[in-house]
Amino acid sequence: DAGITQSPRHKVTETGTPVTLRCHQTENHRYMYWYRQDPGHGLRLIHYSYGVKDTDKGEVSDGYSVSRSKTEDFLLTLESATSSQTSVYFCAISESPGNTQYFGPGTRLTVL
Amino acid sequence: EDQVTQSPEALRLQEGESSSLNCSYTVSGLRGLFWYRQDPGKGPEFLFTLYSAGEEKEKERLKATLTKKESFLHITAPKPEDSATYLCAVPYSGGGADGLTFGKGTHLIIQP
Repeated sequence: DAGITQSPRHKVTETGTPVTLRCHQTENHRYMYWYRQDPGHGLRLIHYSYGVKDTDKGEVSDGYSVSRSKTEDFLLTLESATSSQTSVYFCAISESPGNTQYFGPGTRLTVL
Repeated sequence: EDQVTQSPEALRLQEGESSSLNCSYTVSGLRGLFWYRQDPGKGPEFLFTLYSAGEEKEKERLKATLTKKESFLHITAPKPEDSATYLCAVPYSGGGADGLTFGKGTHLIIQP
């Protein structure tokens, strides 16, 4: 199994509060991704990173920001959580673009 | 716009009853097709990557095939432990964001 951990694994928060999710990898892969998974939708890309301090937007980036200060860590921040951001969030890593992505165990976020 | 469509949405089989799952795709230039397995409450687990029409990959009771328009995941003599949601995905084909476009998945149930 690829060495990917996500924290927290579960979180319940209230509308308007800031939330940060963490993805940590031990594989030294350059590329890291954040996806969300919702019923009726496939996994959808939020943001991705192609190196330390290098990030870009994905398909559903509104309301989210990311940071990557170290190769091993990729943070996803919801500045002011909304109920529409209730979802399961997955981190993924890859050695290069278009290559196989390996996924973490996910974080279930509930925004009340 | 890239599109990935999986069928059927759900499939219930008896143990030992072989079948196939379909993944049809529309991309401007295929750079690979990925199959994943996802168990409830877990992240997607990588199964196969296919790169060109005619390519086949096998793993235990699973065989993935690829044509120019679709991919099939053939399940031979399945066992209850093969029950899961199977996802297929393709890399973004347009310029700009890196990432995968996922289908909504096929939920497979194998009854003893």
